[in-house]
Amino acid sequence: AAGVIQSPRHLIKEKRETATLKCYPIPRHDTVYWYQQGPGQDPQFLISFYEKMQSDKGSIPDRFSAQQFSDYHSELNMSSLELGDSALYFCASSLGPVGTSGRGEDTQYFGPGTRLTVL
Amino acid sequence: GENVEQHPSTLSVQEGDSAVIKCTYSDSASNYFPWYKQELGKGPQLIIDIRSNVGEKKDQRIAVTLNKTAKHFSLHITETQPEDSAVYFCAAPNKAAGNKLTFGGGTRVLVKP
Repeated sequence: AAGVIQSPRHLIKEKRETATLKCYPIPRHDTVYWYQQGPGQDPQFLISFYEKMQSDKGSIPDRFSAQQFSDYHSELNMSSLELGDSALYFCASSLGPVGTSGRGEDTQYFGPGTRLTVL
Repeated sequence: GENVEQHPSTLSVQEGDSAVIKCTYSDSASNYFPWYKQELGKGPQLIIDIRSNVGEKKDQRIAVTLNKTAKHFSLHITETQPEDSAVYFCAAPNKAAGNKLTFGGGTRVLVKP
């Protein structure tokens, strides 16, 4: 079965540079979530999109922005990178944004992640 | 918002023994509870989930139980194998906030052969 695709898998940047992470959801999935995971930590929610509109925003710095395109893929743009931005960035996709009556539409499937290293 | 706590943070078991991980949540409106397994350098992989209309769900060696009254749910792995070694996360969605997942702190499971 097709899974969530993320690119690039690894990215090395210098401080103050910019980075763009891409996410391609599972076919027919219309909802995308971005999470950030630091070393030894649990994933932290950044931002989500449903049908190309932002549906929720978490602890995402103002230096970061994201969008979902007409083909449902999403991009996370990170500017003025800082050392503390070094982390694993995961994208997850689901069919529909909110859990319903047990049909599994809220199940989130994660991609393999992008490891960002800021030097 | 939702708050999820997970215990223990590390768990070491002998191959063939059982492993149990427990999580509590705070939002009584939550009705969906997934468990993810994460291997080193990989993304979280959904291994089982449970919805509030059932109290227990089983898939081969993995089972999850849910107690909505007490607001806790548990993952049970029986007949553990070395390939079960990984970090396991419980999670709960915030239905009022676009269904974002709040994760427990994770449990590092080591299965010793």
